[in-house]
Amino acid sequence: AQSVTQLDSQVPVFEEAPVELRCNYSSSVSVYLFWYVQYPNQGLQLLLKYLSGSTLVESINGFEAEFNKSQTSFHLRKPSVHISDTAEYFCAVSEAGSARQLTFGSGTQLTVLP
Amino acid sequence: NAGVTQTPKFQVLKTGQSMTLQCAQDMNHNSMYWYRQDPGMGLRLIYYSASEGTTDKGEVPNGYNVSRLNKREFSLRLESAAPSQTSVYFCASSDALGAKDTQYFGPGTRLTVL
Repeated sequence: AQSVTQLDSQVPVFEEAPVELRCNYSSSVSVYLFWYVQYPNQGLQLLLKYLSGSTLVESINGFEAEFNKSQTSFHLRKPSVHISDTAEYFCAVSEAGSARQLTFGSGTQLTVLP
Repeated sequence: NAGVTQTPKFQVLKTGQSMTLQCAQDMNHNSMYWYRQDPGMGLRLIYYSASEGTTDKGEVPNGYNVSRLNKREFSLRLESAAPSQTSVYFCASSDALGAKDTQYFGPGTRLTVL
């Protein structure tokens, strides 16, 4: 069975500082990896995903994540955060080539301080 | 194009009461899902529907029933609500039941069972 661990439940950071949100997964087979973002009082939105190919994936708003198979990690990074990045971020995994559903991590609340 | 819509947005029930949460999508997606979100636990899959006319149990189906009314609509029913069902409920849809498909989420229903 697959599982996801998000190591930090809360990450406060000052505006324009860099940030890294950590995600580790466990699976016995190849995986697809996702980061979803949830803004206050809204549903989840896909931020970025890794399916295959380049291990570095980017979003349109400056976030990036790198798939590291040896470390079984998919950490999310942004070099300079804005107040508007304040949200909860969820890492999720699914097994490649199957219809097995997404397994979500417990989430990391990113709070950007002025 | 409204995406995924859910009604109601908020609901308070007494223990033992029943209710149905409604979900509709206008993206012509084949697959639909119901999740619950609890603090510190991420999202857990309750039921899903791969296509019109089919439904399957997810990780936490006990106490719930679902109906895939047509391709657009997927409802979740609590027959006899319990305080343990206090949660935020999200409906989602995707083009297909594949591990790589992006899921699109509704804004959620906040349910309190007293």
